[in-house]
Amino acid sequence: AQTVTQSQPEMSVQEAETVTLSCTYDTSESDYYLFWYKQPPSRQMILVIRQEAYKQQNATENRFSVNFQKAAKSFSLKISDSQLGDAAMYFCAYRSNFGNEKLTFGTGTRLTIIP
Amino acid sequence: NAGVTQTPKFQVLKTGQSMTLQCAQDMNHEYMSWYRQDPGMGLRLIHYSVGAGITDQGEVPNGYNVSRSTTEDFPLRLLSAAPSQTSVYFCASSSRLGSSIFGTFGSGTRLTVV
Repeated sequence: AQTVTQSQPEMSVQEAETVTLSCTYDTSESDYYLFWYKQPPSRQMILVIRQEAYKQQNATENRFSVNFQKAAKSFSLKISDSQLGDAAMYFCAYRSNFGNEKLTFGTGTRLTIIP
Repeated sequence: NAGVTQTPKFQVLKTGQSMTLQCAQDMNHEYMSWYRQDPGMGLRLIHYSVGAGITDQGEVPNGYNVSRSTTEDFPLRLLSAAPSQTSVYFCASSSRLGSSIFGTFGSGTRLTVV
């Protein structure tokens, strides 16, 4: 079974600075997706960024980028120029490209932005 | 607006009561699933469906039933509520086609069992 580990329950960063959230995972599969979801106080789950395992290039979405290290099974999220609206819970998630659409989530990292 | 609609948004139940959490999507997604979110544990899969008439258990299925009679709807039934079922519940849908493969979540239901 796949597992996802987020070892940082809480992180904080000064506004306009850069922060990196860590995620490691365990799988025996070679074809899968990895995701970062943002959950603000509104509770809505918002997809921030995704990475396909067979793509070596790291995904980027505006101020959000990932460092995907497939051999090390590491998938960290970097947020540049942090903004107050980035304050939220961030969840790392894994999805196999085979079988059902099950997402396996990490336990989350609460990000606080310091003005 | 297209998306996943969950009702109710909040609910308080007494131990032993039953209820149904509703989930509907209008995107013709074949996959639908239910997750529960508990503090410090992320989201865990309860049940899922790969199409109308087909359901299967996830990681934490005990105490819950589901059915999928139509593509659009995927209700989650609590048979006899227990305090351990106090949680936030999310419904999600996705498709293997087009841009929907990464899924859409509903806004969640906060359930408290007293």
